[in-house]
Parts: sequence; C-alpha cells; structure tokens
Amino acid sequence: AQKVTQAQTEISVVEKEDVTLDCVYETRDTTYYLFWYKQPPSGELVFLIRRNSFDEQNEISGRYSWNFQKSTSSFNFTITASQVVDSAVYFCALSEGDESGGSYIPTFGRGTSLIVHP
Amino acid sequence: DGGITQSPKYLFRKEGQNVTLSCEQNLNHDAMYWYRQDPGQGLRLIYYSQIVNDFQKGDIAEGYSVSREKKESFPLTVTSAQKNPTAFYLCASSMVGAGTEAFFGQGTRLTVV
Repeated sequence: AQKVTQAQTEISVVEKEDVTLDCVYETRDTTYYLFWYKQPPSGELVFLIRRNSFDEQNEISGRYSWNFQKSTSSFNFTITASQVVDSAVYFCALSEGDESGGSYIPTFGRGTSLIVHP
Repeated sequence: DGGITQSPKYLFRKEGQNVTLSCEQNLNHDAMYWYRQDPGQGLRLIYYSQIVNDFQKGDIAEGYSVSREKKESFPLTVTSAQKNPTAFYLCASSMVGAGTEAFFGQGTRLTVV
C-alpha cells in the first residue's frame, strides 16, 4: 500500500513571501519515485520534478527548491519570493511497483491550494 | 503540437444515462490513465492501461468502463451505475516504466442534472 499526505489544504501568502508545501509519504518499497505537479486554473496538471528513492540531493530550479528526506519520509517543495502566477493547486505523488512489480502507477496526495495575493 | 486532448470540456448528463468521455494522445505513450478529481479528494485512479487491448481497474472503477482499441485513444464511459458521477475527470499518459512522469489533458467537467 502507498499513501501520500499533504496536510496543508490551502495556503495564502502575499507576493514575495517564501512558502513551503509539505508532502509526507508511506511506502514499504526500497525503490520508489516522488513527483510534484502543478494544477493551474486551466485544469491540466503540469509536471515539475521527479526524485527517485536513491537520490536525496536537494534540487533548486530558479525560485523552486525541493527537500527530499528519507529519514522523515518527506519531499517538501519551497517557492521563494512567490508570485501571483504561482497560484495553483500543487500535488505530490508517489509511484512504486505494484504487487507484480511492474506498474509504477502514481498515487497522488489531496493537493495544496496556494493563493498568492498581490 | 504533441499532447493529450480531452473532449468535451464540459458535459451535462441526465440521471440514468451513460456518457463517454474522450481522451486522445499523440505522444506515442503506451500507458494511459483516468483519474477523478473531487474537491478535497485529490486525484483518484479509475482505470489504467499499459498496452492496447488491456486495461486494469484502479481504486474507484465501479460504475465506469473503458476500452483501449488504439494506442492513441482511451475513452471512459460513465455508466448509470455510478452513483455520484459529478466530478472533474482527468486523462493522462506516460511511457511505461519506473519513474516516468505523466502528461495530463485539460480535463472534462461532468455534471449530472
């Protein structure tokens, strides 16, 4: 079984504030993958980043950064100097092999709605 | 442009009617998925397919059916047996394999009237 928990339902910030979106996962597999997706008001999810369970290096991409910590089963996402265009729903997802070992179907958290006010 | 096309964007259905949601992709992906999104529920997997003419039930398959006759197409039928069909439906595709990201369509919002 796998589970992804995004405890923050909605976060509201003012432009230029930093904001961190939390993601905690559960898995018994040693090999798994973690993802973050962004869902703007238009509806489609857009892939942001992927991490495999063997790579705990943090990553920075412009104003975005991700902190993967296996010790706490967390994969948190930070937006620095937030902008109005960052307003969206953000999903964390986990994929691992199913019982037969091959499907890697992603399971999504419930999402965090980020509202950035001007 | 390569991508996933879902149609229609908005769909209204009378209770007791079946309705089919279209999903087409030109990304040459083998895997395709249907998710349902409800407020506060995140995305829940309905069905997925990793090869033509084969598909598997997801977590909430009851009241839904799919087909995969072509690699590019994965239509979802919401049957009258689905007790609460009003929702936002998202189709996605990906390469088959560990750690591959999914590409999503813009969704279909189904409302039962």
